[in-house]
Amino acid sequence: SQQGEEDPQALSIQEGENATMNCSYKTSINNLQWYRQNSGRGLVHLILIRSNEREKHSGRLRVTLDTSKKSSSLLITASRAADTASYFCATATLGGNNRKLIWGLGTSLAVNP
Amino acid sequence: DVKVTQSSRYLVKRTGEKVFLECVQDMDHENMFWYRQDPGLGLRLIYFSYDVKMKEKGDIPEGYSVSREKKERFSLILESASTNQTSMYLCASASGGSSGANVLTFGAGSRLTVL
Repeated sequence: SQQGEEDPQALSIQEGENATMNCSYKTSINNLQWYRQNSGRGLVHLILIRSNEREKHSGRLRVTLDTSKKSSSLLITASRAADTASYFCATATLGGNNRKLIWGLGTSLAVNP
Repeated sequence: DVKVTQSSRYLVKRTGEKVFLECVQDMDHENMFWYRQDPGLGLRLIYFSYDVKMKEKGDIPEGYSVSREKKERFSLILESASTNQTSMYLCASASGGSSGANVLTFGAGSRLTVL
């Protein structure tokens, strides 16, 4: 079952701009993760944020989590053409089996040179 | 460089054939997973394994079986392939138990076409 919903579904920006994508979920969570997938390849883990955290940074990535709104956002600053990919959020449900992540359908990001 | 290796990137099979998709990880992870990914449906969990010879059904196990005889290897089996099993199959592994944070390391994927 799909819990996470990313928006927008697709995003097109120019190199150097910031890209923001959002993820909403329905149940209480232990943690939320973001992954990137380049076309036709496997997914790569980007960042994990726990339910008691509000913000986390990793390089040009900034993730926020608002558990009251059941939402998260991923900000990519100073985007590059190499950031072109699909981005997925995945949640581990509170009280559930952390092995069974619930995935969103992804945001497709195109960064134009 | 740690990795998850899927044996085939592209496969073409005929309806009714038995299909084996192999996955090997070199990270000594306890957990291994098989997902399928379809446009508009996202990632759906087929099966996962939390230990050798242990397995649990995911969200869409029908038409699939799995085998985990060794810790590093997790196989997905389609006993009798059907056209609706045409998909991208993704294997992943993770350390940690059911209460830990499971960060997945994915293989490159196997794109299966069933004719």
